[in-house]
Amino acid sequence: AQTVTQSQPEMSVQEAETVTLSCTYDTSESDYYLFWYKQPPSRQMILVIRQEAYKQQNATENRFSVNFQKAAKSFSLKISDSQLGDAAMYFCAYRSMYSGGGADGLTFGKGTHLIIQP
Amino acid sequence: DAGVIQSPRHEVTEMGQEVTLRCKPISGHNSLFWYRQTMMRGLELLIYFNNNVPIDDSGMPEDRFSAKMPNASFSTLKIQPSEPRDSAVYFCASTLDQVWGLYFGPGTRLTVT
Repeated sequence: AQTVTQSQPEMSVQEAETVTLSCTYDTSESDYYLFWYKQPPSRQMILVIRQEAYKQQNATENRFSVNFQKAAKSFSLKISDSQLGDAAMYFCAYRSMYSGGGADGLTFGKGTHLIIQP
Repeated sequence: DAGVIQSPRHEVTEMGQEVTLRCKPISGHNSLFWYRQTMMRGLELLIYFNNNVPIDDSGMPEDRFSAKMPNASFSTLKIQPSEPRDSAVYFCASTLDQVWGLYFGPGTRLTVT
């Protein structure tokens, strides 16, 4: 079974600065999908960014970008120009390319609590 | 679109009582998931439906938990009898294709005393 590890329980950054959240995963598959979700205090899980493993180019969504290192099984999230509204729990997630046999759904890491200092 | 709708948002009940959580997926989505979130265990997949059919319920903790999806626009997760260790936030999520990610509802915070 795949596992997702987020080694930073909590991170703090000054407003307008850049922060990078780490995520590593363990898999024997060569094709898969990776996601970052944001969970603000409202509890709503919001999809931030998505990466296909077969694409070498790192995904970007406005101030959010990823550093995908397939060989290292690393998928970090960079938030540029941090804003107060970015304060939330951030979850890294893995999805197999295949279906069935327990591969359905997303496997989540334990999350990183991001604090934005004004 | 209103997104995934869950009710109730909060539920407080006594041990031994039956609890029913409800979910309305996004219209047109054919896959529905129930997740449970706790501090200790994080987000755990409980059960997954595709086209209203339960595909994988290996994450359901025990027989006290059951889930149904009678039609494409409604699903329930029932706990009977409830126990204090069932206290958690329960999320429903839906999607048309899992490779594009899941769309989550606002969750139901369940407290069993």
